[in-house]
Amino acid sequence: GIQVEQSPPDLILQEGANSTLRCNFSDSVNNLQWFHQNPWGQLINLFYIPSGTKQNGRLSATTVATERYSLLYISSSQTTDSGVYFCAVTNTGNQFYFGTGTSLTVIP
Amino acid sequence: EAGVAQSPRYKIIEKRQSVAFWCNPISGHATLYWYQQILGQGPKLLIQFQNNGVVDDSQLPKDRFSAERLKGVDSTLKIQPAKLEDSAVYLCASSLVYVTEAFFGQGTRLTVV
Repeated sequence: GIQVEQSPPDLILQEGANSTLRCNFSDSVNNLQWFHQNPWGQLINLFYIPSGTKQNGRLSATTVATERYSLLYISSSQTTDSGVYFCAVTNTGNQFYFGTGTSLTVIP
Repeated sequence: EAGVAQSPRYKIIEKRQSVAFWCNPISGHATLYWYQQILGQGPKLLIQFQNNGVVDDSQLPKDRFSAERLKGVDSTLKIQPAKLEDSAVYLCASSLVYVTEAFFGQGTRLTVV
């Protein structure tokens, strides 16, 4: 199956700092999503972004499908941004796989 | 629009007992997924349905896990008999079709003692 790797695995930021999270995938995909898993375990949809760039407030994402990666940008981080960020992809076999996750801690 | 509903939210059982989880997807969503998330890991796909047919169950431990989606709407996931290593959060998700945005329920946290 498709391999999905995220980096960095862990990230600690001071409140107000910016960060970039990366998702690499090993094969062609026809869907990519970014999720935020909050401390209660709920997976919150951030972006549905099989290609191109999207922005939503302080968050933005870019997927370059031809080069098999996606980036999630968080600007002016807040303590509520803490949690685990996952990317997930659907490959040409229409199977939906998650990456390894990036654990973000934002300290005041 | 109502989201993906799961029940129960929490379950504690003894090993070798059986347990069942229920999922009601978003109305009109043809694709339904069950995931297992062990603490500290990413969600792992157990089974994927398209309407009431199975698309992928390659990672479902079929000797103890079973799932069904009757009438292409609600789904149940069953574990019988449970083992200690089955302690995890079981997540259900749905999407309109394969390649559209997927939405997750709040999950069922299972503890096997």
